[in-house]
Amino acid sequence: AQSVTQLGSHVSVSEGALVLLRCNYSSSVPPYLFWYVQYPNQGLQLLLKYTSAATLVKGINGFEAEFKKSETSFHLTKPSAHMSDAAEYFCAVSASGTYKYIFGTGTRLKVLA
Amino acid sequence: KAGVTQTPRYLIKTRGQQVTLSCSPISGHRSVSWYQQTPGQGLQFLFEYFSETQRNKGNFPGRFSGRQFSNSRSEMNVSTLELGDSALYLCASSLDAAGGFFGPGTRLTVL
Repeated sequence: AQSVTQLGSHVSVSEGALVLLRCNYSSSVPPYLFWYVQYPNQGLQLLLKYTSAATLVKGINGFEAEFKKSETSFHLTKPSAHMSDAAEYFCAVSASGTYKYIFGTGTRLKVLA
Repeated sequence: KAGVTQTPRYLIKTRGQQVTLSCSPISGHRSVSWYQQTPGQGLQFLFEYFSETQRNKGNFPGRFSGRQFSNSRSEMNVSTLELGDSALYLCASSLDAAGGFFGPGTRLTVL
C-alpha cells in the first residue's frame, strides 16, 4: 500500500526566499512520486515526477525535488519564491506502473511581499 | 494539443437526484481516472479506466460508477445524491503511468 504525508498544511515565505515543501511517502513497492500544484478554481498541474531514473528531478517554474530512499522523502524546493508561486501543492505517490495516485493533504504556500 | 475537458464546470443538484459528469481526455490518452476533492477528505481516488475497462477502484459506495467509451471519453455517475457528495470532481488523462494531466474539474453542489 502507498501513502503520503505532507508536513505543514500552510507555509509562508518571503518573496525571493527559499521554498521547501516536505513530503514523505510509504510504499511497499518501488514508487513513482509526483508534485502537483493547484491554483484557485483550477485543476492540478504536474510540476515534476520521479519515475526511478535520476533522483534529482527538475520541474517547471524552477522547482525541483530529490528522491531520498533512505529517508523516504521527496521534498520540493525552489531557490527563490515568486508571488506567482502562491498556490496549493500536492505530493502524490503511485505504485510504479499503475495509474492510481494517492495524494497528500496538500500544503498551501503563501508568498509575502 | 487540447487539454483535458470536463463538462459541466458547475452543477447544482438536490438530494436524491443523480448526476452524470463527462471527461474528454487528451487525444491519444487511453487512461482516464477520476478523483473527488473535498476540504475534509482531500483528494480521493474514485476509479480508473483504460480502453473501456475499469482497472482500479477506490473506496466509494456503489452509488458512484463510471464508464469509458471507445473514443476514451469517460463519464462518471452518482446516483441518489447526498449532501456529502458536494465536491470538486477531477478527471485525469494519462498516456502512461508517469503522471496524469488533470482537467479543470466539475464543481458539484448538492442542496
